Amino acid sequence: AQRVTQPEKLLSVFKGAPVELKCNYSYSGSPELFWYVQYSRQRLQLLLRHISRESIKGFTADLNKGETSFHLKKPFAQEEDSAMYYCALPNAGGTSYGKLTFGQGTILTVHP
Amino acid sequence: DAMVIQNPRYQVTQFGKPVTLSCSQTLNHNVMYWYQQKSSQAPKLLFHYYDKDFNNEADTPDNFQSRRPNTSFCFLDIRSPGLGDAAMYLCATSRWGQETQYFGPGTRLLVL
Repeated sequence: AQRVTQPEKLLSVFKGAPVELKCNYSYSGSPELFWYVQYSRQRLQLLLRHISRESIKGFTADLNKGETSFHLKKPFAQEEDSAMYYCALPNAGGTSYGKLTFGQGTILTVHP
Repeated sequence: DAMVIQNPRYQVTQFGKPVTLSCSQTLNHNVMYWYQQKSSQAPKLLFHYYDKDFNNEADTPDNFQSRRPNTSFCFLDIRSPGLGDAAMYLCATSRWGQETQYFGPGTRLLVL
């Protein structure tokens, strides 16, 4: 069964410091992975997906198949980055196509 | 703007009194999802529709039902809410073949 693990429930950094939110996955095929973000009192929204290989709001994430990881990184954290971050893995194939398996989430707090 | 809308944003019901939450979308997506999200936890998928095909998660209680009368609307019915059903309920949509899900703002359910 596929699984997504975010080992850190809480992560605190100071403004301007680098930040890395960890995500590890268990999946038997070639995964497509996402990071979703939920800012305070806002809807859950897609931050980035690995297939796009893009940087959104200064965040990047690289898929490492050897380590089965998809860590989210930003070199200089900003206060507005404070939010709940979820790593997610979609099922592939059959009637479950597109169903997301979420990690438990990491609450990022960026202090001034 | 095309979007996912959930009404009401807050719903209060009494223990055992049936309640219906609604979701509508203007994205014309053929897949719609209902998630339950309890405080500081990841969203948990209850069920999803691919067009009119209903797919229930194995661990979704029978107390939870859903209806999708047309492409735009989907309803979550809780037949006899218990105190443990108090949570945020999220609706999401996606287009079959594209894993990105678009979330509504959620309905927070309080059971008295």
